[in-house]
Amino acid sequence: KQEVTQIPAALSVPEGENLVLNCSFTDSAIYNLQWFRQDPGKGLTSLLLIQSSQREQTSGRLNASLDKSSGRSTLYIAASQPGDSATYLCAVRPFPQGAQKLVFGQGTRLTINP
Amino acid sequence: GAGVSQSPRYKVAKRGQDVALRCDPISGHVSLFWYQQALGQGPEFLTYFQNEAQLDKSGLPSDRFFAERPEGSVSTLKIQRTQQEDSAVYLCASSSQRGNTGELFFGEGSRLTVL
Repeated sequence: KQEVTQIPAALSVPEGENLVLNCSFTDSAIYNLQWFRQDPGKGLTSLLLIQSSQREQTSGRLNASLDKSSGRSTLYIAASQPGDSATYLCAVRPFPQGAQKLVFGQGTRLTINP
Repeated sequence: GAGVSQSPRYKVAKRGQDVALRCDPISGHVSLFWYQQALGQGPEFLTYFQNEAQLDKSGLPSDRFFAERPEGSVSTLKIQRTQQEDSAVYLCASSSQRGNTGELFFGEGSRLTVL
């Protein structure tokens, strides 16, 4: 059974710092991995989608990497801003069983202090 | 529409009541998913539709949970005889692709509180 773990559960850093959020998964057989952002009381906003054949994706200040063989992904946030404060979730789409469902980690709650 | 729309945003039910939660996916999206998110946890899969066909309902926690998407667009998640453990945020997501590589777009969720 695929399990996704995110460490740390919470992170607080000063504004302007670069930071890395970690995601690990137990089974390397995946179609893709997706990073989401969730603000309090809101739904999930898709940040980056990495297909299993890719190693990284970039969008603005965000860069996500995928090392499928070791079961790891990282989300790098450059020059953090208070508006980046949110919970960040990673999710994998397992292959082949349950291919239509995402398996989520519990999230990392990020606070950027002005 | 521009995004996935869910209603109601908040629902308070007395234990034993039936509730119905609505999801209006992005126009033209083939795939539709329901997830349940307990407080402080990541979302957990409930069920998946491809057009009007419910292809996977393995995540529904009991036979009190029922989902439908009769015309392949709007979907309704119904919970009968609600229990306190049903309290959670119910998230709907849609994807434009039938396959396994599509990006999922989520709505803002329906927060259910069972008293």
